[in-house]
Amino acid sequence: RKEVEQDPGPFNVPEGATVAFNCTYSNSASQSFFWYRQDCRKEPKLLMSVYSSGNEDGRFTAQLNRASQYISLLIRDSKLSDSATYLCVVNGPGNQGGKLIFGQGTELSVKP
Amino acid sequence: GAGVSQSPSNKVTEKGKDVELRCDPISGHTALYWYRQRLGQGLEFLIYFQGNSAPDKSGLPSDRFSAERTGESVSTLTIQRTQQEDSAVYLCASSLAPRGSTSTDTQYFGPGTRLTVL
Repeated sequence: RKEVEQDPGPFNVPEGATVAFNCTYSNSASQSFFWYRQDCRKEPKLLMSVYSSGNEDGRFTAQLNRASQYISLLIRDSKLSDSATYLCVVNGPGNQGGKLIFGQGTELSVKP
Repeated sequence: GAGVSQSPSNKVTEKGKDVELRCDPISGHTALYWYRQRLGQGLEFLIYFQGNSAPDKSGLPSDRFSAERTGESVSTLTIQRTQQEDSAVYLCASSLAPRGSTSTDTQYFGPGTRLTVL
């Protein structure tokens, strides 16, 4: 089993649609969770951290379920500029706390 | 302020040659990471430096790969006797990552070095 698994893509949606990405992680000792965004041929950039109580940043909502080891990202009213690959990221457990483990990414394409 | 920088941005080399890739992290960031991303693939962890601790080399794919870091500054990733399967983008990232922490701070990535082995 992969340490971080994401929905296979790509997701093709029209502008204005709501889209949800799912992610599961294998190690229950992980403490930090993130969603990164990677544009084509660019480096990954932090989209948002994911907190236990869930958190929202504009059109983006992230949720964490520790019991199920599940993370989600919801994008409302999607824009053309949201087209990118979304990476679910979890930190390594214990003394590997600083090490980040990346999922394979889910590609999103928003069409007019 | 200045972000993470990497050089060269592109490197084309012949099979069997050695290459050296450089990363300048954000000033003050104690943690530095190297990743590899093959075309159409996710990020593959290679190595992690945290302050003066022994580096986590668990992701290095073979003994042809090595990396060094001078204090809390520049790092170089060296690939010896390059093979065609080494062709990828090599990404460096840095973060504040407190020593001994079980959590981690945001990682900031450089633009990467695109390595092509002919």
